[in-house]
Amino acid sequence: DAKTTQPTSMDCAEGRAANLPCNHSTISGNEYVYWYRQIHSQGPQYIIHGLKNNETNEMASLIITEDRKSSTLILPHATLRDTAVYYCIVRVWGQGAQKLVFGQGTRLTINP
Amino acid sequence: EAGVAQSPRYKIIEKRQSVAFWCNPISGHATLYWYQQILGQGPKLLIQFQNNGVVDDSQLPKDRFSAERLKGVDSTLKIQPAKLEDSAVYLCASSSQNRRAGTNTGELFFGEGSRLTVL
Repeated sequence: DAKTTQPTSMDCAEGRAANLPCNHSTISGNEYVYWYRQIHSQGPQYIIHGLKNNETNEMASLIITEDRKSSTLILPHATLRDTAVYYCIVRVWGQGAQKLVFGQGTRLTINP
Repeated sequence: EAGVAQSPRYKIIEKRQSVAFWCNPISGHATLYWYQQILGQGPKLLIQFQNNGVVDDSQLPKDRFSAERLKGVDSTLKIQPAKLEDSAVYLCASSSQNRRAGTNTGELFFGEGSRLTVL
């Protein structure tokens, strides 16, 4: 699986949009970009995923650059409950073993 | 829908003792994963099952760790004997392989984890 690079930590004010970047310059054509988050003392939780088009769901938006070498997760109106570690992962979906390989993630702190 | 169930939530043992963790995945999920998460790090995959067969156990320290999923449903992860460096949260996750389902995102559903402290 391709490696990803994320900032170690970020801060964001409550009510503002939180933009979390991720670099995945060695991503393969059949690898998806997945985002998970882990709130303290809980297991990781799926947020969103995409292949090459931008995606939006009730939790977040995912913007993938045209060359697919980087992406940004956007939490449009961050709340205190969004404080968590956010993991950007690339993986093949639908072929063979589909393991998630977690990196260190970005520790996002939402400030009141 | 019931989530992934794990037990015990907390366990404290002394080094060289043994411990077992249990996981019951979401009903119908064919794939089950065990991850180890050391404090301050991201989760690391230990073993992945597809039904009752092992797909990937390349990161499992087989001299002391074992896992089974005999009937393709629930699973047990055992450590014997435990070392200090085994102190971690052990996370179980499951996923569905059914891509025909329109809502299948390939996501893994995680349990709350079992926190192990080895003294």
